[in-house]
Amino acid sequence: DTGVSQNPRHKITKRGQNVTFRCDPISEHNRLYWYRQTLGQGPEFLTYFQNEAQLEKSRLLSDRFSAERPKGSFSTLEIQRTEQGDSAMYLCASSLWDGTDGYTFGSGTRLTVV
Amino acid sequence: QKEVEQNSGPLSVPEGAIASLNCTYSDRGSQSFFWYRQYSGKSPELIMSIYSNGDKEDGRFTAQLNKASQYVSLLIRDSQPSDSATYLCAVNEGDDKIIFGKGTRLHILP
Repeated sequence: DTGVSQNPRHKITKRGQNVTFRCDPISEHNRLYWYRQTLGQGPEFLTYFQNEAQLEKSRLLSDRFSAERPKGSFSTLEIQRTEQGDSAMYLCASSLWDGTDGYTFGSGTRLTVV
Repeated sequence: QKEVEQNSGPLSVPEGAIASLNCTYSDRGSQSFFWYRQYSGKSPELIMSIYSNGDKEDGRFTAQLNKASQYVSLLIRDSQPSDSATYLCAVNEGDDKIIFGKGTRLHILP
């Protein structure tokens, strides 16, 4: 297993467009997390899944953000009607069960909204 | 709002010296604590976890936890230029979500 994989690595989009990011976790990990990180800040929790169940989505930044993990394997994060303030690094992480041993992060997707 | 506080730095330390990084957290019920290293433009990498009061050593790294004071620290002995990075303190806030501090930038001076 090569770790947590995120695609694309970089995305440049025009304001108002929709974007979708994909995350493939470590295969035996049943928990998957999405974070956003802006320059000079730590990662900010967005949402997480246990298998296909989304356990919390209240911290998604607005109703323009949504995430899915339809078969309990890969996950997608979609941002609709992007705004310049959405420009950030979007990080995916995975863990076994309850994350008490910490998470393994993917390389991230850097979004630039122009 | 549960918080994790770190001094943003930069913290400059001569090569070969001990680097000391500190973190405080607001939730007294937190049980799991982590230190991540993040190089510029890269994603965070887990370097230490600690769950019990006291010290935990792993190579040149020592994590220290004091739950009564809600304080976590990371010591890096024999600092190397390759240790120059941002160090993120993270706390499991319960319900298995980890929240992060803003990070401390560490610069090892050759």
